[in-house]
Amino acid sequence: NAGVTQTPKFQVLKTGQSMTLQCAQDMNHNSMYWYRQDPGMGLRLIYYSASEGTTDKGEVPNGYNVSRLNKREFSLRLESAAPSQTSVYFCASSDPGTGGREQYFGPGTRLTVT
Amino acid sequence: AQKVTQAQTEISVVEKEDVTLDCVYETRDTTYYLFWYKQPPSGELVFLIRRNSFDEQNEISGRYSWNFQKSTSSFNFTITASQVVDSAVYFCALSEAYSGAGSYQLTFGKGTKLSVIP
Repeated sequence: NAGVTQTPKFQVLKTGQSMTLQCAQDMNHNSMYWYRQDPGMGLRLIYYSASEGTTDKGEVPNGYNVSRLNKREFSLRLESAAPSQTSVYFCASSDPGTGGREQYFGPGTRLTVT
Repeated sequence: AQKVTQAQTEISVVEKEDVTLDCVYETRDTTYYLFWYKQPPSGELVFLIRRNSFDEQNEISGRYSWNFQKSTSSFNFTITASQVVDSAVYFCALSEAYSGAGSYQLTFGKGTKLSVIP
C-alpha cells in the first residue's frame, strides 16, 4: 500500500496564478483532510471531507476550495494564489468508523507564491 | 474550544540523555483522544500513539513512554536514552469524540523541536 500520496512535491507560483494540489489514499478511509503548516504555527486545518460527497471548512478555509472526487481522492484548489499561501500543505486520511481516530499523512507539498 | 499547548518550543539534549516533551490540553468533552506525531527533518508526519480519555494507563514502546494524567490534563512523552535519530519536531494533538459531521478533527499543538547532539 502506498498510503497517502500527494502531487506535486514542490511548486512555485506567481501571485494570481491558480493550481490544484492532488491527494489520493489507498487505505479505503472515509475521511480526508487538508492542512497547512507554517513555521511556529503547527498544523491548521483548511478543509475536510467526512465522507465521499461531503466537504466542510476547517480553521483557515479562505482562498481555497476542495473537491472530494471519489472515496480515494481529495483535491485542494487555489484559485488566485497569494504570497500568504506560501506554506507546506499536507493531506491526511482516517477511518473513524473502525475506531481509529488517528490520521495518516501524505509527504506534503511545498508551495511558494512569489 | 479545544486547545493543545506544547510550551517547549525547542529542546536540546546530549545523546543518551532522557528527555520529556510536555503536552497540556483543554477540552470540554468527557470523551476525547490524544495523539503524538513525529516529524523528522525529511518532513513527513509519522503517527506514534493514540490514547483515549478512558484509559489512563501509561504506555511504553521501546525507548518511548507516554504519561497520561487527566487530573492535570497532560499527555507527556518521554524518550529514554535519546539517539540522534530522535531529532525531530514532535506534535501533540487532541480529537473530540465527535465533530458532528462524521469525522474527527485533530487540534495540534505548535510542536516541540528536539535536537539530540552526538
